[in-house]
Amino acid sequence: DAKTTQPPSMDCAEGRAANLPCNHSTISGNEYVYWYRQIHSQGPQYIIHGLKNNETNEMASLIITEDRKSSTLILPHATLRDTAVYYCIVRGWVDKIIFGKGTRLHILP
Amino acid sequence: EAQVTQNPRYLITVTGKKLTVTCSQNMNHEYMSWYRQDPGLGLRQIYYSMNVEVTDKGDVPEGYKVSRKEKRNFPLILESPSPNQTSLYFCASSLSTGWGTGKETQYFGPGTRLLVL
Repeated sequence: DAKTTQPPSMDCAEGRAANLPCNHSTISGNEYVYWYRQIHSQGPQYIIHGLKNNETNEMASLIITEDRKSSTLILPHATLRDTAVYYCIVRGWVDKIIFGKGTRLHILP
Repeated sequence: EAQVTQNPRYLITVTGKKLTVTCSQNMNHEYMSWYRQDPGLGLRQIYYSMNVEVTDKGDVPEGYKVSRKEKRNFPLILESPSPNQTSLYFCASSLSTGWGTGKETQYFGPGTRLLVL
C-alpha cells in the first residue's frame, strides 16, 4: 500500500497557482517528502523535497504541515507545460519505494 | 552529463523468448531500481539494489530477475516473458546513504516500452 494519498486528478487555469495536496499521515521522523512529475510517458523528473521546513526552488514550493502528516506542492504560475502526473513519496531508510498513482494535473488555457 | 541510460528503448518479442533490458548510470550511485508502469496503476517497483551484489524484491518481482555485479549497471532479465509483462519500464538510481539524509533524489532513465506477443 502506498504511504501517501493524492487526489487522482486536478485542474488549474493557466497562469494561476497550482496547489497539489498529499497526505502522508504515517510518515516517520526520518522520512523526507519527495515530489516528482512525469510528462507523458517520459521518465519521472525530480521537483523538490523537504523534511519539515517549507522549501522553495526554481520549479516549485513545498509546504509541509507542522505535524508532517500532509504537504502541498505549489507551482506558482502554472503553464501548459506543467500538465503532468505528479507523485508524492516519502523516503527515509533507503529500501523499497512506493510511488502510488499520483495526481494528474490538467492546466486549462 | 549525469544520466541513466536504458536499452533498448522499444522492444517487441514473443512469449518465452528470454530478454534483457540494460540500465547504466554514470553518477556513482549506490541505489538502483526498476519500475514498471501500466495504465491506471502508477509506478510499481520491481526490484531494487542498495549496492553491488545486494538486491531485493519490490512490489511486483514475479517473472523478473536482476543482477548487480558492477555499481553502474543493473540489468533487468525476463527469463520467459509473458503478455502480462507488456509494459513501460523505467530504471532509476540515487545515492544511498542509509538513513534518510535528503540526498536520495532519484534519477530516471527514459523508459523501455516492451510488447510481448
